[in-house]
Amino acid sequence: DVKVTQSSRYLVKRTGEKVFLECVQDMDHENMFWYRQDPGLGLRLIYFSYDVKMKEKGDIPEGYSVSREKKERFSLILESASTNQTSMYLCASSPGTGHTDTQYFGPGTRLTVL
Amino acid sequence: GQNIDQPTEMTATEGAIVQINCTYQTSGFNGLFWYQQHAGEAPTFLSYNVLDGLEEKGRFSSFLSRSKGYSYLLLKELQMKDSASYLCAAQDSNYQLIWGAGTKLIIKP
Repeated sequence: DVKVTQSSRYLVKRTGEKVFLECVQDMDHENMFWYRQDPGLGLRLIYFSYDVKMKEKGDIPEGYSVSREKKERFSLILESASTNQTSMYLCASSPGTGHTDTQYFGPGTRLTVL
Repeated sequence: GQNIDQPTEMTATEGAIVQINCTYQTSGFNGLFWYQQHAGEAPTFLSYNVLDGLEEKGRFSSFLSRSKGYSYLLLKELQMKDSASYLCAAQDSNYQLIWGAGTKLIIKP
């Protein structure tokens, strides 16, 4: 079974703090993704990566950065957390085989910024 | 622009059948995914369609019409554990997933 893990299920931070969200997958997948999920909205792509040290902006990259130093690990960084970044953050990975490139999700991190 | 539409909420009775519709508009098309998401949990993969027609997997089936930009997820013999949100996502020409907001399915006894 594919396993995607995220470092925290719940996180509370203060405005202005630097926040690190870690994601690890154990299936040697090429692709990794960071989404946020808010009520009434679909999953919104923040950043994704097709290879180590490679990153691409998604639909809403502002206020975020990412790092992929190893194939299995993809980190999301909030340089200076703001209250509008309170959300559920979901990490996903996929094999990178093209057509049926199913994404597998981690359990999510619910981040609250006070 | 790219857009996915699905109903916000549906209610059905245990043991019955329910159909959740999804319409999509994308720049190119490389398939349609359905995911299930229980409250507070991660989405899990249910089905993938790229050709027109019906794909059946036990109690769940998924249908695609590429010419109409339309898909549905059919759930039979509903069980209480099927109470969840169902997410529709279309894959565009760059193989990026465009996600709908999800349909919350409420099952009543």
